[in-house]
Amino acid sequence: SAVISQKPSRDICQRGTSLTIQCQVDSQVTMMFWYRQQPGQSLTLIATANQGSEATYESGFVIDKFPISRPNLTFSTLTVSNMSPEDSSIYLCSVSGQGENTEAFFGQGTRLTVV
Amino acid sequence: GNSVTQMEGPVTLSEEAFLTINCTYTATGYPSLFWYVQYPGEGLQLLLKATKADDKGSNKGFEATYRKETTSFHLEKGSVQVSDSAVYFCALSPYDDYKLSFGAGTTVTVRA
Repeated sequence: SAVISQKPSRDICQRGTSLTIQCQVDSQVTMMFWYRQQPGQSLTLIATANQGSEATYESGFVIDKFPISRPNLTFSTLTVSNMSPEDSSIYLCSVSGQGENTEAFFGQGTRLTVV
Repeated sequence: GNSVTQMEGPVTLSEEAFLTINCTYTATGYPSLFWYVQYPGEGLQLLLKATKADDKGSNKGFEATYRKETTSFHLEKGSVQVSDSAVYFCALSPYDDYKLSFGAGTTVTVRA
Protein backbone atom coordinates (compact mmCIF):
# COMPACT_ATOMS: atom_id res chain seq x y z
CA SER A 1 0.00 0.00 0.00
CA ALA A 2 0.96 3.65 -0.30
CA VAL A 3 0.50 6.45 2.21
CA ILE A 4 -0.28 9.79 0.63
CA SER A 5 -0.08 13.13 2.42
CA GLN A 6 -1.76 16.18 0.96
CA LYS A 7 -1.30 19.77 2.05
CA PRO A 8 -3.19 21.89 2.80
CA SER A 9 -6.16 19.86 3.99
CA ARG A 10 -8.44 22.82 3.42
CA ASP A 11 -8.27 26.47 2.46
CA ILE A 12 -10.48 29.45 1.81
CA CYS A 13 -9.18 31.65 -0.98
CA GLN A 14 -10.11 34.90 -2.65
CA ARG A 15 -11.21 34.82 -6.27
CA GLY A 16 -8.45 35.68 -8.71
CA THR A 17 -5.71 34.14 -6.56
CA SER A 18 -3.92 30.81 -6.97
CA LEU A 19 -3.42 27.88 -4.63
CA THR A 20 -0.78 25.16 -4.85
CA ILE A 21 -1.62 21.76 -3.41
CA GLN A 22 1.17 19.40 -2.47
CA CYS A 23 1.09 15.61 -2.61
CA GLN A 24 3.79 13.48 -0.96
CA VAL A 25 3.92 9.68 -1.26
CA ASP A 26 5.85 7.41 1.06
CA SER A 27 7.22 5.31 -1.80
CA GLN A 28 8.36 5.85 -5.38
CA VAL A 29 5.54 5.63 -7.91
CA THR A 30 5.51 6.04 -11.64
CA MET A 31 2.13 7.61 -12.13
CA MET A 32 0.29 10.13 -9.99
CA PHE A 33 -3.18 11.43 -10.69
CA TRP A 34 -5.13 14.51 -9.71
CA TYR A 35 -8.91 14.33 -9.32
CA ARG A 36 -11.57 16.90 -8.58
CA GLN A 37 -14.73 16.22 -6.60
CA GLN A 38 -17.20 19.04 -6.93
CA PRO A 39 -19.80 19.44 -4.17
CA GLY A 40 -22.20 16.50 -4.14
CA GLN A 41 -20.67 14.98 -7.25
CA SER A 42 -18.35 12.17 -8.21
CA LEU A 43 -14.64 12.30 -8.90
CA THR A 44 -13.35 13.56 -12.22
CA LEU A 45 -9.81 13.02 -13.40
CA ILE A 46 -7.97 16.28 -14.07
CA ALA A 47 -4.61 14.97 -15.25
CA THR A 48 -1.95 12.30 -15.02
CA ALA A 49 1.45 13.42 -13.76
CA ASN A 50 4.48 11.39 -14.80
CA GLN A 51 7.98 12.18 -13.60
CA GLY A 52 10.19 13.63 -16.29
CA SER A 53 7.43 14.60 -18.69
CA GLU A 54 4.57 17.06 -18.96
CA ALA A 55 1.29 16.16 -17.37
CA THR A 56 -1.45 14.72 -19.55
CA TYR A 57 -4.74 16.57 -19.15
CA GLU A 58 -8.23 15.19 -19.58
CA SER A 59 -10.84 16.84 -21.75
CA GLY A 60 -12.06 20.06 -20.17
CA PHE A 61 -8.88 20.73 -18.17
CA VAL A 62 -5.96 22.84 -19.38
CA ILE A 63 -2.42 23.43 -18.19
CA ASP A 64 -2.84 27.19 -17.82
CA LYS A 65 -5.62 26.68 -15.28
CA PHE A 66 -4.19 23.61 -13.51
CA PRO A 67 -0.39 23.57 -13.87
CA ILE A 68 1.18 20.44 -12.42
CA SER A 69 4.72 19.71 -11.35
CA ARG A 70 6.29 16.29 -10.83
CA PRO A 71 9.92 16.86 -9.83
CA ASN A 72 10.56 13.31 -8.55
CA LEU A 73 8.92 9.92 -8.00
CA THR A 74 7.42 10.77 -4.60
CA PHE A 75 6.07 14.29 -5.00
CA SER A 76 3.70 16.35 -7.12
CA THR A 77 1.92 19.68 -6.95
CA LEU A 78 -1.30 20.91 -8.50
CA THR A 79 -1.94 24.64 -8.79
CA VAL A 80 -5.44 26.01 -9.20
CA SER A 81 -4.90 29.33 -10.97
CA ASN A 82 -6.98 32.49 -11.14
CA MET A 83 -9.63 30.92 -8.98
CA SER A 84 -13.36 31.52 -9.19
CA PRO A 85 -16.15 30.19 -6.93
CA GLU A 86 -16.73 27.42 -9.50
CA ASP A 87 -13.33 25.98 -8.51
CA SER A 88 -14.62 25.23 -5.02
CA SER A 89 -14.12 21.48 -4.77
CA ILE A 90 -12.17 18.75 -3.09
CA TYR A 91 -8.94 18.03 -4.95
CA LEU A 92 -7.45 14.58 -4.51
CA CYS A 93 -4.08 13.14 -5.30
CA SER A 94 -3.91 9.46 -6.22
CA VAL A 95 -1.27 6.90 -7.08
CA SER A 96 -1.73 3.60 -8.80
CA GLY A 97 -0.49 0.21 -7.86
CA GLN A 98 2.33 -1.38 -9.75
CA GLY A 99 2.23 -4.33 -12.15
CA GLU A 100 -0.62 -6.72 -11.31
CA ASN A 101 -1.86 -4.55 -8.47
CA THR A 102 -4.39 -2.21 -10.02
CA GLU A 103 -5.54 -0.66 -6.77
CA ALA A 104 -5.38 3.13 -6.52
CA PHE A 105 -4.61 4.94 -3.28
CA PHE A 106 -5.90 8.38 -2.44
CA GLY A 107 -4.81 11.24 -0.29
CA GLN A 108 -7.20 12.78 2.19
CA GLY A 109 -7.97 15.56 -0.22
CA THR A 110 -7.80 19.34 -0.14
CA ARG A 111 -11.11 21.07 0.44
CA LEU A 112 -10.97 24.38 -1.41
CA THR A 113 -13.52 27.14 -1.01
CA VAL A 114 -13.26 30.21 -3.23
CA VAL A 115 -15.04 33.34 -2.06
CA GLY B 1 -15.36 5.63 -23.95
CA ASN B 2 -15.42 4.15 -20.48
CA SER B 3 -18.27 4.94 -18.13
CA VAL B 4 -19.89 3.75 -14.94
CA THR B 5 -23.58 4.02 -14.13
CA GLN B 6 -24.42 3.69 -10.50
CA MET B 7 -27.69 3.59 -8.64
CA GLU B 8 -28.22 7.02 -7.20
CA GLY B 9 -29.33 7.60 -3.68
CA PRO B 10 -29.71 8.57 -1.11
CA VAL B 11 -30.46 5.20 0.40
CA THR B 12 -31.70 4.96 3.96
CA LEU B 13 -31.84 1.62 5.74
CA SER B 14 -32.40 0.22 9.18
CA GLU B 15 -29.65 -1.69 10.92
CA GLU B 16 -29.40 -5.37 9.87
CA ALA B 17 -31.19 -4.67 6.59
CA PHE B 18 -29.90 -5.97 3.25
CA LEU B 19 -28.09 -3.49 1.04
CA THR B 20 -27.69 -3.60 -2.73
CA ILE B 21 -26.19 -0.84 -4.82
CA ASN B 22 -26.38 -1.44 -8.56
CA CYS B 23 -23.46 -0.65 -10.82
CA THR B 24 -23.11 -1.23 -14.56
CA TYR B 25 -20.25 -0.24 -16.80
CA THR B 26 -19.28 0.39 -20.39
CA ALA B 27 -15.72 -0.36 -21.41
CA THR B 28 -13.69 -2.02 -24.10
CA GLY B 29 -11.75 -5.12 -23.27
CA TYR B 30 -11.51 -6.35 -19.70
CA PRO B 31 -11.45 -3.54 -17.17
CA SER B 32 -10.76 -3.89 -13.48
CA LEU B 33 -13.71 -2.99 -11.28
CA PHE B 34 -13.72 -1.38 -7.86
CA TRP B 35 -15.92 -0.19 -5.06
CA TYR B 36 -14.57 2.74 -3.07
CA VAL B 37 -16.06 4.09 0.14
CA GLN B 38 -15.90 7.57 1.61
CA TYR B 39 -16.84 7.73 5.27
CA PRO B 40 -17.96 11.09 6.68
CA GLY B 41 -14.99 13.43 6.98
CA GLU B 42 -12.54 10.88 5.62
CA GLY B 43 -10.72 10.22 2.38
CA LEU B 44 -11.55 7.68 -0.29
CA GLN B 45 -10.73 4.07 0.56
CA LEU B 46 -10.80 0.94 -1.53
CA LEU B 47 -13.54 -1.39 -0.30
CA LEU B 48 -13.11 -4.26 -2.75
CA LYS B 49 -12.07 -5.05 -6.28
CA ALA B 50 -12.26 -7.65 -9.05
CA THR B 51 -9.90 -7.85 -11.97
CA LYS B 52 -11.49 -10.47 -14.23
CA ALA B 53 -14.85 -11.95 -15.13
CA ASP B 54 -16.58 -14.03 -12.43
CA ASP B 55 -14.18 -12.78 -9.74
CA LYS B 56 -15.84 -11.95 -6.47
CA GLY B 57 -14.41 -9.15 -4.36
CA SER B 58 -15.24 -9.10 -0.67
CA ASN B 59 -14.35 -7.07 2.39
CA LYS B 60 -16.04 -6.10 5.67
CA GLY B 61 -19.09 -8.21 4.81
CA PHE B 62 -19.52 -6.52 1.43
CA GLU B 63 -19.40 -8.52 -1.79
CA ALA B 64 -19.51 -7.78 -5.51
CA THR B 65 -19.16 -10.16 -8.46
CA TYR B 66 -17.71 -9.15 -11.83
CA ARG B 67 -20.40 -10.12 -14.35
CA LYS B 68 -19.16 -9.63 -17.87
CA GLU B 69 -22.35 -10.93 -19.49
CA THR B 70 -24.40 -8.19 -17.83
CA THR B 71 -21.50 -5.69 -17.50
CA SER B 72 -22.35 -5.30 -13.83
CA PHE B 73 -20.61 -5.15 -10.47
CA HIS B 74 -23.38 -4.79 -7.91
CA LEU B 75 -22.42 -4.24 -4.27
CA GLU B 76 -24.22 -6.23 -1.58
CA LYS B 77 -24.16 -6.61 2.16
CA GLY B 78 -26.46 -8.93 4.04
CA SER B 79 -26.73 -7.01 7.32
CA VAL B 80 -25.69 -3.38 7.48
CA GLN B 81 -24.55 -1.49 10.55
CA VAL B 82 -24.70 2.18 11.45
CA SER B 83 -20.95 2.33 10.80
CA ASP B 84 -21.61 1.49 7.13
CA SER B 85 -23.10 4.93 6.61
CA ALA B 86 -20.96 6.44 3.87
CA VAL B 87 -20.81 7.34 0.19
CA TYR B 88 -20.05 4.39 -2.07
CA PHE B 89 -18.45 4.79 -5.50
CA CYS B 90 -18.26 2.20 -8.23
CA ALA B 91 -15.25 2.63 -10.51
CA LEU B 92 -13.34 0.99 -13.33
CA SER B 93 -9.90 1.17 -14.82
CA PRO B 94 -9.25 -0.04 -18.36
CA TYR B 95 -7.15 -3.16 -18.83
CA ASP B 96 -4.27 -1.12 -20.25
CA ASP B 97 -4.48 1.97 -18.07
CA TYR B 98 -4.59 2.98 -14.43
CA LYS B 99 -7.00 5.89 -14.83
CA LEU B 100 -10.21 5.50 -12.88
CA SER B 101 -13.69 6.35 -14.10
CA PHE B 102 -16.15 6.77 -11.25
CA GLY B 103 -19.87 6.44 -10.91
CA ALA B 104 -21.91 9.23 -9.39
CA GLY B 105 -21.71 7.82 -5.87
CA THR B 106 -24.48 6.53 -3.62
CA THR B 107 -25.04 7.97 -0.17
CA VAL B 108 -26.07 5.29 2.29
CA THR B 109 -27.46 6.11 5.72
CA VAL B 110 -28.06 3.32 8.21
CA ARG B 111 -30.33 4.10 11.15
CA ALA B 112 -30.16 2.29 14.48
